[in-house]
Amino acid sequence: QVQLQESGPGLVKSSETLSLTCTVSGGSISSYYWSWIRQPPGKGLEWIGSIYYNGVTNYIPSLKSRVSISLDTSKNQFSLNLKSVTAADTAVYHCARHRGTSSSQFYFDSWGQGSLVTVSS
Amino acid sequence: DIQMTQSPSSLSASVGDRVTITCRASQSISIYLNWYQQKPGKAPKLLMYVASSLQSGVPSRFSGSGSGTDFTLTISSLQPEDFATYYCQQSYSTPITFGQGTRLEIK
Repeated sequence: QVQLQESGPGLVKSSETLSLTCTVSGGSISSYYWSWIRQPPGKGLEWIGSIYYNGVTNYIPSLKSRVSISLDTSKNQFSLNLKSVTAADTAVYHCARHRGTSSSQFYFDSWGQGSLVTVSS
Repeated sequence: DIQMTQSPSSLSASVGDRVTITCRASQSISIYLNWYQQKPGKAPKLLMYVASSLQSGVPSRFSGSGSGTDFTLTISSLQPEDFATYYCQQSYSTPITFGQGTRLEIK
């Protein structure tokens, strides 16, 4: 059973860069696609972007200028960097797995518990 | 972007009730609609994919239907562990988008 665990600072200052890592255990990172999804406190889910083991990425247009997702197959980890953060970026950030980027495969069958990141002024 | 709208936003029901949650897409998404259950402080859990396929391990009291723009998630007989928030998600095109959620509460 694959498990995902987010890690990183819980507090980031406004205008700085938010950095999180997702560690995948119980399975190879090379066999699936991986996404970051965030959830502002008390609100709904927002997909941020995805990465495949070959490094191909896909980002939500509204964040594309500030976001990057990378992958380290040797550590079975993938990471999120979101620069120039504001209070609007305060959220629980989840990492998640999906089987592909076709319409029939782009659903998330394993999730990390989530990491709350608060942006402070 | 494809907008997903769920109704109702919240719902009160009793154990044993049959419950239906609706999700509407702003354009046709064929059958590419997925459903999740989320309990407080926990990660979302996949229930249904491509509208009507039950994820492994999910009880058969959950079912999904629909195509085009209108979809439903039905729980045939509510159990105590089903009280949670439910989200739909379209996978027809990127950016992937979710509905705003339906909170299912105990009456």
